[in-house]
Amino acid sequence: NAGVTQTPKFRVLKTGQSMTLLCAQDMNHEYMYWYRQDPGMGLRLIHYSVGEGTTAKGEVPDGYNVSRLKKQNFLLGLESAAPSQTSVYFCASSFSFEQFFGPGTRLTVL
Amino acid sequence: RKEVEQDPGPFNVPEGATVAFNCTYSNSASQSFFWYRQDCRKEPKLLMSVYSSGNEDGRFTAQLNRASQYISLLIRDSKLSDSATYLCVVKNSGGGADGLTFGKGTHLIIQP
Repeated sequence: NAGVTQTPKFRVLKTGQSMTLLCAQDMNHEYMYWYRQDPGMGLRLIHYSVGEGTTAKGEVPDGYNVSRLKKQNFLLGLESAAPSQTSVYFCASSFSFEQFFGPGTRLTVL
Repeated sequence: RKEVEQDPGPFNVPEGATVAFNCTYSNSASQSFFWYRQDCRKEPKLLMSVYSSGNEDGRFTAQLNRASQYISLLIRDSKLSDSATYLCVVKNSGGGADGLTFGKGTHLIIQP
């Protein structure tokens, strides 16, 4: 099992560009999450999903959109990237309380 | 008041020593508690759950004090490989899928 994978691992964007981060899990988990982690801020929940076709806002959803068209995939979109979105993005999935994280995507917005 | 608070450290500890750090939480209705470990530039991983009766896993002991609303992590006979950031995580009641709150982490450095 690959667990949770994220694509891409690194990306540099210019302000105003758009991009989609892909998260995939092969553990058949219902719940999936997107977090961002910034120095001194800890992990903050952006959006989450409790099952295929459902999404919900987390703590810091502004500037991001998500989709869960397939159970194994959770996509995070940035429509118009801003420097404030420079961060490390982690995807996670869970069956119960334990969350399994992907390796992260390091995004820099210039 | 922040929901989950931790001393960010760093804690510099000689190899073989015992180290302990605490985490406080503000929501008295919090249901479940965990410690996650995060290595530098890596993803967080579950280290252990924290039960009301305490929980021990090898050199690691986690305890919960509901009256004072804190949890602790004790590491005995510390190893160089224990160097990492330790995240305190709290699951709040009625939180559903988004009910986990992460602390900012305590940075531990084990020195040879």
